[in-house]
Amino acid sequence: LAKTTQPISMDSYEGQEVNITCSHNNIATNDYITWYQQFPSQGPRFIIQGYKTKVTNEVASLFIPADRKSSTLSLPRVSLSDTAVYYCLVAQYSTLTFGKGTMLLVSP
Amino acid sequence: EPEVTQTPSHQVTQMGQEVILRCVPISNHLYFYWYRQILGQKVEFLVSFYNNEISEKSEIFDDQFSVERPDGSNFTLKIRSTKLEDSAMYFCASSEVRPPNEKLFFGSGTQLSVL
Repeated sequence: LAKTTQPISMDSYEGQEVNITCSHNNIATNDYITWYQQFPSQGPRFIIQGYKTKVTNEVASLFIPADRKSSTLSLPRVSLSDTAVYYCLVAQYSTLTFGKGTMLLVSP
Repeated sequence: EPEVTQTPSHQVTQMGQEVILRCVPISNHLYFYWYRQILGQKVEFLVSFYNNEISEKSEIFDDQFSVERPDGSNFTLKIRSTKLEDSAMYFCASSEVRPPNEKLFFGSGTQLSVL
Protein backbone atom coordinates (compact mmCIF):
# COMPACT_ATOMS: atom_id res chain seq x y z
CA LEU A 1 0.00 0.00 0.00
CA ALA A 2 1.50 3.30 -1.12
CA LYS A 3 2.14 5.71 1.74
CA THR A 4 1.01 9.30 1.33
CA THR A 5 2.38 12.49 2.84
CA GLN A 6 0.47 15.74 2.94
CA PRO A 7 0.72 18.94 5.00
CA ILE A 8 -0.94 18.76 8.38
CA SER A 9 -2.67 22.10 7.94
CA MET A 10 -3.13 25.01 5.54
CA ASP A 11 -4.67 28.45 5.90
CA SER A 12 -6.40 30.47 3.20
CA TYR A 13 -8.82 33.33 2.68
CA GLU A 14 -12.13 33.39 0.95
CA GLY A 15 -11.90 33.71 -2.81
CA GLN A 16 -8.37 32.35 -3.08
CA GLU A 17 -7.30 29.25 -4.94
CA VAL A 18 -5.95 26.52 -2.68
CA ASN A 19 -3.56 23.83 -3.78
CA ILE A 20 -2.91 20.85 -1.52
CA THR A 21 -0.06 18.61 -2.57
CA CYS A 22 0.28 14.97 -1.64
CA SER A 23 3.41 12.91 -2.18
CA HIS A 24 3.24 9.21 -2.86
CA ASN A 25 6.72 8.18 -3.91
CA ASN A 26 6.08 4.44 -4.01
CA ILE A 27 2.86 4.54 -5.97
CA ALA A 28 2.32 1.38 -7.99
CA THR A 29 1.51 1.20 -11.68
CA ASN A 30 -2.15 0.38 -11.18
CA ASP A 31 -2.82 2.69 -8.21
CA TYR A 32 -5.44 5.42 -8.44
CA ILE A 33 -5.29 8.68 -6.50
CA THR A 34 -8.45 9.71 -4.68
CA TRP A 35 -9.28 12.73 -2.53
CA TYR A 36 -11.95 12.92 0.15
CA GLN A 37 -13.23 15.82 2.23
CA GLN A 38 -14.47 15.55 5.81
CA PHE A 39 -16.37 18.10 7.87
CA PRO A 40 -16.49 17.77 11.67
CA SER A 41 -18.80 15.01 12.89
CA GLN A 42 -19.55 13.87 9.33
CA GLY A 43 -18.38 11.01 7.18
CA PRO A 44 -15.78 11.60 4.46
CA ARG A 45 -17.11 12.72 1.11
CA PHE A 46 -15.57 11.83 -2.26
CA ILE A 47 -14.14 14.82 -4.12
CA ILE A 48 -12.19 13.59 -7.11
CA GLN A 49 -10.17 10.69 -8.46
CA GLY A 50 -7.50 10.40 -11.11
CA TYR A 51 -4.80 8.21 -12.58
CA LYS A 52 -2.65 10.61 -14.58
CA THR A 53 -2.50 14.15 -16.03
CA LYS A 54 -5.44 16.32 -15.07
CA VAL A 55 -8.97 15.64 -13.93
CA THR A 56 -11.57 18.33 -13.34
CA ASN A 57 -15.09 18.22 -11.96
CA GLU A 58 -17.53 20.80 -10.63
CA VAL A 59 -15.77 20.92 -7.27
CA ALA A 60 -12.03 20.63 -7.87
CA SER A 61 -9.16 19.79 -10.17
CA LEU A 62 -6.53 17.13 -9.68
CA PHE A 63 -3.11 17.49 -11.23
CA ILE A 64 -0.87 14.45 -11.52
CA PRO A 65 2.62 14.78 -13.04
CA ALA A 66 4.02 12.20 -15.42
CA ASP A 67 5.98 10.33 -12.74
CA ARG A 68 2.82 10.13 -10.55
CA LYS A 69 4.89 10.46 -7.39
CA SER A 70 2.77 13.38 -6.24
CA SER A 71 -0.60 14.93 -6.90
CA THR A 72 -2.16 18.32 -6.27
CA LEU A 73 -5.75 18.98 -5.36
CA SER A 74 -6.80 22.44 -6.52
CA LEU A 75 -9.84 24.17 -5.03
CA PRO A 76 -10.78 27.31 -6.97
CA ARG A 77 -12.06 30.36 -5.06
CA VAL A 78 -12.57 28.73 -1.67
CA SER A 79 -15.32 29.82 0.68
CA LEU A 80 -15.73 29.50 4.44
CA SER A 81 -17.65 26.28 3.89
CA ASP A 82 -14.56 24.65 2.38
CA THR A 83 -12.99 24.54 5.85
CA ALA A 84 -12.51 20.81 6.34
CA VAL A 85 -9.96 18.00 6.42
CA TYR A 86 -8.81 16.80 3.00
CA TYR A 87 -7.47 13.28 2.56
CA CYS A 88 -5.28 11.96 -0.23
CA LEU A 89 -5.56 8.19 -0.70
CA VAL A 90 -3.68 5.85 -2.99
CA ALA A 91 -4.78 2.26 -3.43
CA GLN A 92 -5.13 -0.37 -6.06
CA TYR A 93 -7.19 -3.31 -4.95
CA SER A 94 -7.00 -2.99 -1.20
CA THR A 95 -9.47 -1.18 0.99
CA LEU A 96 -9.05 2.56 1.23
CA THR A 97 -6.88 3.59 4.15
CA PHE A 98 -7.05 7.13 5.44
CA GLY A 99 -4.06 9.10 6.66
CA LYS A 100 -4.18 12.15 8.90
CA GLY A 101 -5.18 14.47 6.09
CA THR A 102 -4.74 18.22 5.68
CA MET A 103 -6.81 20.55 7.82
CA LEU A 104 -7.76 23.51 5.60
CA LEU A 105 -8.93 26.62 7.42
CA VAL A 106 -10.56 29.30 5.30
CA SER A 107 -10.88 32.73 6.91
CA PRO A 108 -12.96 35.75 5.86
CA GLU B 1 -28.26 12.18 -4.40
CA PRO B 2 -28.73 8.77 -2.74
CA GLU B 3 -27.34 8.46 0.74
CA VAL B 4 -26.24 5.96 3.37
CA THR B 5 -28.29 6.24 6.53
CA GLN B 6 -27.12 5.26 9.99
CA THR B 7 -29.03 4.81 13.23
CA PRO B 8 -28.86 5.82 15.96
CA SER B 9 -26.92 9.05 15.59
CA HIS B 10 -25.79 8.76 19.22
CA GLN B 11 -25.51 5.70 21.44
CA VAL B 12 -24.51 5.68 25.07
CA THR B 13 -23.78 2.37 26.73
CA GLN B 14 -22.16 0.90 29.79
CA MET B 15 -18.87 -0.94 29.57
CA GLY B 16 -19.43 -4.63 28.94
CA GLN B 17 -22.78 -4.15 27.22
CA GLU B 18 -23.55 -5.23 23.68
CA VAL B 19 -24.37 -2.61 21.06
CA ILE B 20 -25.66 -2.90 17.52
CA LEU B 21 -25.08 -0.09 15.07
CA ARG B 22 -27.32 -0.03 12.05
CA CYS B 23 -26.82 1.13 8.51
CA VAL B 24 -28.88 1.19 5.35
CA PRO B 25 -26.50 1.30 2.37
CA ILE B 26 -27.45 2.72 -0.99
CA SER B 27 -29.82 0.26 -2.62
CA ASN B 28 -27.84 -0.81 -5.70
CA HIS B 29 -24.48 -0.97 -3.92
CA LEU B 30 -22.76 -4.30 -3.43
CA TYR B 31 -19.81 -3.49 -1.15
CA PHE B 32 -20.23 -2.41 2.44
CA TYR B 33 -17.78 -1.09 5.00
CA TRP B 34 -17.41 0.00 8.58
CA TYR B 35 -14.87 2.61 9.61
CA ARG B 36 -14.40 4.35 12.92
CA GLN B 37 -12.85 7.61 14.06
CA ILE B 38 -11.76 8.24 17.61
CA LEU B 39 -12.05 11.92 18.50
CA GLY B 40 -9.16 13.89 17.00
CA GLN B 41 -7.70 10.90 15.22
CA LYS B 42 -7.79 9.52 11.68
CA VAL B 43 -10.51 7.47 10.06
CA GLU B 44 -9.69 3.79 10.62
CA PHE B 45 -10.87 0.87 8.52
CA LEU B 46 -12.63 -1.93 10.37
CA VAL B 47 -14.17 -4.32 7.88
CA SER B 48 -15.44 -4.74 4.34
CA PHE B 49 -18.30 -7.02 3.34
CA TYR B 50 -19.37 -8.44 0.00
CA ASN B 51 -21.65 -11.25 -1.08
CA ASN B 52 -22.67 -11.95 2.50
CA GLU B 53 -19.20 -12.46 3.82
CA ILE B 54 -16.29 -10.46 5.16
CA SER B 55 -13.83 -9.52 2.41
CA GLU B 56 -11.21 -7.88 4.54
CA LYS B 57 -10.79 -6.82 8.16
CA SER B 58 -8.29 -4.84 10.16
CA GLU B 59 -6.53 -5.72 13.40
CA ILE B 60 -9.09 -3.61 15.24
CA PHE B 61 -11.87 -5.94 14.14
CA ASP B 62 -11.32 -8.68 16.72
CA ASP B 63 -13.67 -11.33 18.08
CA GLN B 64 -15.72 -8.71 19.89
CA PHE B 65 -16.90 -7.33 16.56
CA SER B 66 -19.24 -8.89 14.05
CA VAL B 67 -21.14 -7.72 10.98
CA GLU B 68 -24.31 -8.94 9.43
CA ARG B 69 -26.65 -8.21 6.58
CA PRO B 70 -29.84 -9.58 8.13
CA ASP B 71 -32.08 -8.65 5.20
CA GLY B 72 -31.81 -7.01 1.80
CA SER B 73 -31.36 -3.51 3.11
CA ASN B 74 -29.68 -3.36 6.51
CA PHE B 75 -26.03 -3.78 7.41
CA THR B 76 -25.15 -3.98 11.09
CA LEU B 77 -22.06 -3.81 13.27
CA LYS B 78 -22.25 -5.55 16.64
CA ILE B 79 -19.83 -5.03 19.47
CA ARG B 80 -20.32 -7.89 21.91
CA SER B 81 -18.83 -6.46 25.09
CA THR B 82 -17.97 -2.80 24.78
CA LYS B 83 -14.81 -1.30 26.23
CA LEU B 84 -14.03 2.29 27.06
CA GLU B 85 -11.68 2.46 24.08
CA ASP B 86 -14.53 1.57 21.71
CA SER B 87 -15.84 5.10 22.16
CA ALA B 88 -15.68 6.63 18.70
CA MET B 89 -17.70 7.77 15.71
CA TYR B 90 -18.58 4.75 13.59
CA PHE B 91 -19.13 5.28 9.89
CA CYS B 92 -20.82 2.92 7.50
CA ALA B 93 -20.01 3.21 3.80
CA SER B 94 -21.05 1.51 0.61
CA SER B 95 -19.88 1.41 -2.98
CA GLU B 96 -21.23 0.12 -6.24
CA VAL B 97 -18.02 -1.63 -7.16
CA ARG B 98 -14.87 -2.30 -5.25
CA PRO B 99 -12.43 0.56 -4.68
CA PRO B 100 -10.22 2.14 -5.57
CA ASN B 101 -11.67 3.15 -8.89
CA GLU B 102 -15.11 3.75 -7.47
CA LYS B 103 -16.15 6.13 -4.78
CA LEU B 104 -17.32 5.26 -1.28
CA PHE B 105 -20.46 6.88 0.07
CA PHE B 106 -20.30 7.40 3.81
CA GLY B 107 -23.12 7.81 6.28
CA SER B 108 -23.23 10.56 8.89
CA GLY B 109 -22.03 8.19 11.57
CA THR B 110 -23.06 6.89 14.98
CA GLN B 111 -21.32 8.48 17.93
CA LEU B 112 -20.75 5.67 20.44
CA SER B 113 -19.93 6.60 24.02
CA VAL B 114 -18.93 3.82 26.40
CA LEU B 115 -19.12 4.77 30.06
